Amino acid sequence: DAGVIQSPRHEVTEMGQEVTLRCKPISGHNSLFWYRQTMMRGLELLIYFNNNVPIDDSGMPEDRFSAKMPNASFSTLKIQPSEPRDSAVYFCASSFGGNEKLFFGSGTQLSVL
Amino acid sequence: RKEVEQDPGPFNVPEGATVAFNCTYSNSASQSFFWYRQDCRKEPKLLMSVYSSGNEDGRFTAQLNRASQYISLLIRDSKLSDSATYLCVVKRPDQFYFGTGTSLTVIP
Repeated sequence: DAGVIQSPRHEVTEMGQEVTLRCKPISGHNSLFWYRQTMMRGLELLIYFNNNVPIDDSGMPEDRFSAKMPNASFSTLKIQPSEPRDSAVYFCASSFGGNEKLFFGSGTQLSVL
Repeated sequence: RKEVEQDPGPFNVPEGATVAFNCTYSNSASQSFFWYRQDCRKEPKLLMSVYSSGNEDGRFTAQLNRASQYISLLIRDSKLSDSATYLCVVKRPDQFYFGTGTSLTVIP
C-alpha cells in the first residue's frame, strides 16, 4: 500500500497568492483529516471528512481556507489569499472507521513570503 | 483549556536511562488514548495505544488513569534511536486531539 500521499512536499509562495494542497488517502479509508502544525501551536485539526462529507470544519482559521473531497480518493485544501502567518506544515491523515489508527502523509511545508 | 496538555521538555537523557512522559486531558468523555512518535521533519506515527489496564511493548510502557485524566509513557533502557518528539493523543469520538509533544534527546 502506498500510504497517504500529499503534494507538493514544499511550497513557497508570495503573500496574496492562491495555494492548493492535495491529498490521496489510503484506499478503503473512509475518514480524512487535515492538520496544521507549527512550533507554537502544535498539531491543529482544521477539518475532517467522513465518507467524503465534511463533518467538522470548526478548526478552519477563516474564510480564506476551504477544503473539498470530491471523491473517496482525493481531497484538497485551498488557501486564498495566502498570508505569511499561514506558513506551517500541513498534514493529511486518513483512517478506517472502527480502526483507530491514524495514518499521516509526509506533509506539505508551506512558506508564504 | 487545551484538550491535551504535555510538558514540552526538552528531556535530555543518557543512553540506558529510564524516562517518563506525562499528559493530561480535559474531557472525561474521551474514549481512546495513544502515544504517537514524530521524528524531526517527518510525519507522526503511532507508537502505541494506551489501555486502562496498562500495556507494554518492549521497552515502552503506557498507563492510563481515567479518574485523574492522566496518561503516561515510560521508556526503559533508552536508545539513541528513541530521540524524537512524543505526542499524546486522545480520541472522542471521531476526532483525534494531539498534545503539543514532548521532545526527547538521548545522548551517547
